[in-house]
Amino acid sequence: EAEVAQSPRYKITEKSQAVAFWCDPISGHATLYWYRQILGQGPELLVQFQDESVVDDSQLPKDRFSAERLKGVDSTLKIQPAELGDSAMYLCASSPRTGNYGYTFGSGTRLTVV
Amino acid sequence: GEDVEQSLFLSVREGDSSVINCTYTDSSSTYLYWYKQEPGAGLQLLTYIFSNMDMKQDQRLTVLLNKKDKHLSLRIADTQTGDSAIYFCAESQGQLTFGSGTQLTVLP
Repeated sequence: EAEVAQSPRYKITEKSQAVAFWCDPISGHATLYWYRQILGQGPELLVQFQDESVVDDSQLPKDRFSAERLKGVDSTLKIQPAELGDSAMYLCASSPRTGNYGYTFGSGTRLTVV
Repeated sequence: GEDVEQSLFLSVREGDSSVINCTYTDSSSTYLYWYKQEPGAGLQLLTYIFSNMDMKQDQRLTVLLNKKDKHLSLRIADTQTGDSAIYFCAESQGQLTFGSGTQLTVLP
């Protein structure tokens, strides 16, 4: 069964350091999403890509977060500098295209900022 | 704005039925979803319902949708210990908006 791959699985970083997460969506999925899930809450959308273009990044804290999907396949989410409040699970999901279609989530990257 | 609300906790006995409730505010949502999340894991799609449907059944899972009241429920029949997890409802308008999740605990 096709999966969304994410790495690393866990990351511990000191505040003010830079950190990056990687996501490889299901082959052929044009739409890719990054969600942040704070402990005890539901996931919240950070950024949505359609192919290599950003469709929605209205909830992305752009002073410290950046995301790219240069070739419209895999994607990287970066935080610089990391803050204590960034500790969360970062989830990547993909779907065949934008709209009401099945979203497949990866296992996530658990970030702890110390 | 969009808002999805769920009760935080539910405990049931093994073998009983579980009913997890959700309310949403965006009446234009065309699909509504239920996801399951086990500890430390990503989200697993359980089932979904199209907004013009009232009910959908898939093995032990039954989804009921009251569009007038914007109320969605997930019933799990014959609940097992392996069903213990957090359950999220979500509405979709091209991207998913999640509730805060309901922690289901199945007692032996």
